[in-house]
Amino acid sequence: GAVVSQHPSWVICKSGTSVKIECRSLDFQATTMFWYRQFPKQSLMLMATSNEGSKATYEQGVEKDKFLINHASLTLSTLTVTSAHPEDSSFYICSARTAEGLAGEYEQYFGPGTRLTVT
Amino acid sequence: QKEVEQDPGPLSVPEGAIVSLNCTYSNSAFQYFMWYRQYSRKGPELLMYTYSSGNKEDGRFTAQVDKSSKYISLFIRDSQPSDSATYLCAMMDRNTGKLIFGQGTTLQVKP
Repeated sequence: GAVVSQHPSWVICKSGTSVKIECRSLDFQATTMFWYRQFPKQSLMLMATSNEGSKATYEQGVEKDKFLINHASLTLSTLTVTSAHPEDSSFYICSARTAEGLAGEYEQYFGPGTRLTVT
Repeated sequence: QKEVEQDPGPLSVPEGAIVSLNCTYSNSAFQYFMWYRQYSRKGPELLMYTYSSGNKEDGRFTAQVDKSSKYISLFIRDSQPSDSATYLCAMMDRNTGKLIFGQGTTLQVKP
């Protein structure tokens, strides 16, 4: 399957600072990338959909000014958590979707996740 | 009612057993059906995907979709301790392009 990388895998930051997380599709181009958040023992919660060259679409309840998303190229999307607070501590996972297949299908691959701890 | 229902388990089986994992859904707009495996503190790994009713086999894994019943399954044959993980079903809404996940089933395969 296709490979999606994330960096960093783990980060600790102080309250009030900003943190940037990078997501890269290594062996395919992804016009659409997604950012998820996952709390312990819970399923993935979609935060936003990122399309290359355009503004991200945020899910209801997700603050776009707090979670800045940039999808500058077909292989890179970034999530910046601005003015982080302890309640932002979570596991953040990005995902990249392949181009539409011959049968109109898509495949969606996930990165390894970034564990953010805000002290 | 959730759009996708999945029993969270935990499910514990002995090594070598056949495992059956299931999800039901209510939205007829769901078009593609995927199964992901997630180990603790890792991102989900795509195991199988299908987009039509019927069976799809890959090694020890078989994915089954019944669109008329809105029911999907993942079977794992000859289960191994390394299969111990959380299994997430996911479905793509053709109207929004978004994946909707089940809650995930935690599986433990005991040696």
